[in-house]
Amino acid sequence: GENVEQHPSTLSVQEGDSAVIKCTYSDSASNYFPWYKQELGKGPQLIIDIRSNVGEKKDQRIAVTLNKTAKHFSLHITETQPEDSAVYFCAASLGGYQKVTFGTGTKLQVIP
Amino acid sequence: DADVTQTPRNRITKTGKRIMLECSQTKGHDRMYWYRQDPGLGLRLIYYSFDVKDINKGEISDGYSVSRQAQAKFSLSLESAIPNQTALYFCATSASRAHEQYFGPGTRLTVT
Repeated sequence: GENVEQHPSTLSVQEGDSAVIKCTYSDSASNYFPWYKQELGKGPQLIIDIRSNVGEKKDQRIAVTLNKTAKHFSLHITETQPEDSAVYFCAASLGGYQKVTFGTGTKLQVIP
Repeated sequence: DADVTQTPRNRITKTGKRIMLECSQTKGHDRMYWYRQDPGLGLRLIYYSFDVKDINKGEISDGYSVSRQAQAKFSLSLESAIPNQTALYFCATSASRAHEQYFGPGTRLTVT
């Protein structure tokens, strides 16, 4: 089955700096890659996703890039703010709206 | 009111006890999922159901069972709880032809 690795496990940045979280996946047939944000005491919530026919997608301060050849995808957060502090999960899914496989999570701390 | 609710939110139980975690949703979604979250291991899929009559094992189903009582209700049971089932458990839902999953607030289970 699919295996998703995520790095780093923890990340501390100063407010205003950028943060990058990286993931790799094992199944070349995966074609959908979502990112979820989990705030303290809550369930994860989708913040951005990308499909395999797209190399990059942006939404305000967050962006995701995908390298299908290397089977890598990354989340980029610019101009970080304290409210960006959370646990972030990457995931991968096969086509046909199949189940997703999640990475191990990255705890991001933005220091004011 | 929350779209995906989980009861109880917290539970402490003893080894060998049977316990049921319940999930209800008002989103009208066909698909429902149970995950467990452990530090450093991310979100791992226990069971999933694509409709009322469809139940599938996830990657870590041993020691767990589920029941899909209706489209809106999906319960997770631990027949004989053991300490390594201590974790945070999440229920999630998704529409049949959509990728996004909507998570409940989680149940923190402690087995002593």
